[in-house]
Amino acid sequence: DGGITQSPKYLFRKEGQNVTLSCEQNLNHDAMYWYRQDPGQGLRLIYYSQIVNDFQKGDIAEGYSVSREKKESFPLTVTSAQKNPTAFYLCASSILQGSETQYFGPGTRLLVL
Amino acid sequence: AQSVTQLDSQVPVFEEAPVELRCNYSSSVSVYLFWYVQYPNQGLQLLLKYLSGSTLVKGINGFEAEFNKSQTSFHLRKPSVHISDTAEYFCAVGGGSNYKLTFGKGTLLTVNP
Repeated sequence: DGGITQSPKYLFRKEGQNVTLSCEQNLNHDAMYWYRQDPGQGLRLIYYSQIVNDFQKGDIAEGYSVSREKKESFPLTVTSAQKNPTAFYLCASSILQGSETQYFGPGTRLLVL
Repeated sequence: AQSVTQLDSQVPVFEEAPVELRCNYSSSVSVYLFWYVQYPNQGLQLLLKYLSGSTLVKGINGFEAEFNKSQTSFHLRKPSVHISDTAEYFCAVGGGSNYKLTFGKGTLLTVNP
């Protein structure tokens, strides 16, 4: 089945620790996106990438980093500089023609110990 | 710049009643419009989308939406809701040159027996 996988489903972070969230897609999509979701705030874009080895900051990139070494993979690192990391993180992908329809993974919930 | 306003943060309805979830957008370019649904602790699932052509768009699960360019609206409707429609619904707009979507803050639809 084609789709987007995110792991882990739940992740716990200690103070001062960097953690990495995984996102993999087998849809052969060019673009990938990371969103943060907080209650009542909708989805906010963290980073996006339209091509391998290139990515752009979204609206709330501070305290996060990404890489895009392979077309199918777009991991997100939540660094110790992100002081309020508790949230639901969603990864999405899309083609770069036409409608920009984005398809989403199941999400990772990050909690701080 | 694009923006989306979902006019109701919560909509409670009784089972088998009709429902309308309201969405207004602003954009300086031609738009693509989307409605997504999110069940608790899951990713977003595409309900329907407007790209061009007929302004009445039909989606999955019996939902439909109407694009109104003069009122810059894209309201979601269902003539008779079920308990299983309880979820959060997000409206989104695309159409810029950067293949990004802008999301509203969501409307929580609660269907009561």
